[in-house]
This record gives sequence, structure tokens and C-alpha cells, in this order.
Amino acid sequence: AQSVTQLDSQVPVFEEAPVELRCNYSSSVSVYLFWYVQYPNQGLQLLLKYLSGSTLVESINGFEAEFNKSQTSFHLRKPSVHISDTAEYFCAVSLALTFGGYNKLIFGAGTRLAVHP
Amino acid sequence: NAGVTQTPKFRVLKTGQSMTLLCAQDMNHEYMYWYRQDPGMGLRLIHYSVGEGTTAKGEVPDGYNVSRLKKQNFLLGLESAAPSQTSVYFCASRKGQGAPKAEYNEQFFGPGTRLTVL
Repeated sequence: AQSVTQLDSQVPVFEEAPVELRCNYSSSVSVYLFWYVQYPNQGLQLLLKYLSGSTLVESINGFEAEFNKSQTSFHLRKPSVHISDTAEYFCAVSLALTFGGYNKLIFGAGTRLAVHP
Repeated sequence: NAGVTQTPKFRVLKTGQSMTLLCAQDMNHEYMYWYRQDPGMGLRLIHYSVGEGTTAKGEVPDGYNVSRLKKQNFLLGLESAAPSQTSVYFCASRKGQGAPKAEYNEQFFGPGTRLTVL
């Protein structure tokens, strides 16, 4: 069975500082990896995903994540955060299905990023 | 497109009351899901549907029922609410077979329903 561990429940950081949100997963088969962001009082939005190909994936707002198969990790990074990045971030994994199955998403517990001025 | 919408946004129930949460999507997606979100536990899958007229149990189905009578709607019912069902409920949908892989694997989420059971 797949599982996801987000190692930090809260990450406080000052504006313009770099940040890394850690995510490790366990699975005996190939997986797809996702980062979702949840702004206060809102639903989840897909931030970025790894399906195949380049192990470094980027989002449109400056976040990036690198799939590391040997370390079973998919850490999220941003070189310089803004106040507006304050949100909860969820790492998720699903089986690498081409078709069929119900594509169950397993979520980590979430990391609350708090950016301070 | 409105995407995935959920009604109501907020609800307070007394123990033993019943209610139905409605999820609607206008993207012609095959798959729909109901999750609950609790502090420190991420999102957990309650029930899901792989197409109109089908439903199946997820990780935490007890105390909930679902129906998918129309492709665009997925209803979540609580027959006899309990305080343990106090949570934020999210609906999600995704494309079915035939979609490109990148699109096939992305779930789109609604804004959530915050339910309190007293």
C-alpha cells in the first residue's frame, strides 16, 4: 500500500527567504506525485505534478519539486517566498495507472507554510 | 466552466439529524470522489464513483452513503449525523479513460463544505 509522510506540520519563514517542504512516500510500484495548495478557507488547487520524464517539475508561481526515486522523495522548494504563499501544502501520491482503476490519491497530513514580513 | 461546485458551504447539524451534500461538475468527468479533511490527517477518501450509476467505498465509508444518478452530480448523505463527522468535506472529479495521461491523473476539487455536528 502507498503512504505519504510530510515531515513538517508547520514551517515558519520570513518573506524572501528560501523554503523547502519535505515529502516522502512509500510504494512498491510506480507512482505519480502531486503537490496541492490550499489557501485559507478555500479548496485544493493543483500546484505541480510528476507523471514521467524530467524529474524536476515547476509551477507557474515559482515553486519546483524534484522526484528522487532512490530516496522516495518529492520535496517542494521555492527560492524566495512571498506573504501570499502562506497556505497549507499537501503532497499526494497515486498509482501510475495508464488506464483503468480509480486513481486513488493518498494524501500526506499537510504542511502549513507561514510567511512572515 | 464553473468547474466543481459544492452546496452548502456551511452547515450545523444536531446529533442524529440527516443531510445531503451536493457536488456538481460541468466538465463531463467520469470519476467523482468525496473526501473529508481533518486536522493533521490530510484528506481521506470516503466514497468514489467511476461513472454514472456506480459507487464504491473508499477508506472511511462508515456512516455515509452516496449516489450518482446523473453523471454531473455526486451526492453524499449522512443518515444519522455524529459529532465524529464534524469535518470539511471536499468533492473532486477527473477525466476518464481516453484522456491524455497528464489530464487523466489530475483531480479537480470543489471549495468544500464545512460541517459541524453538535
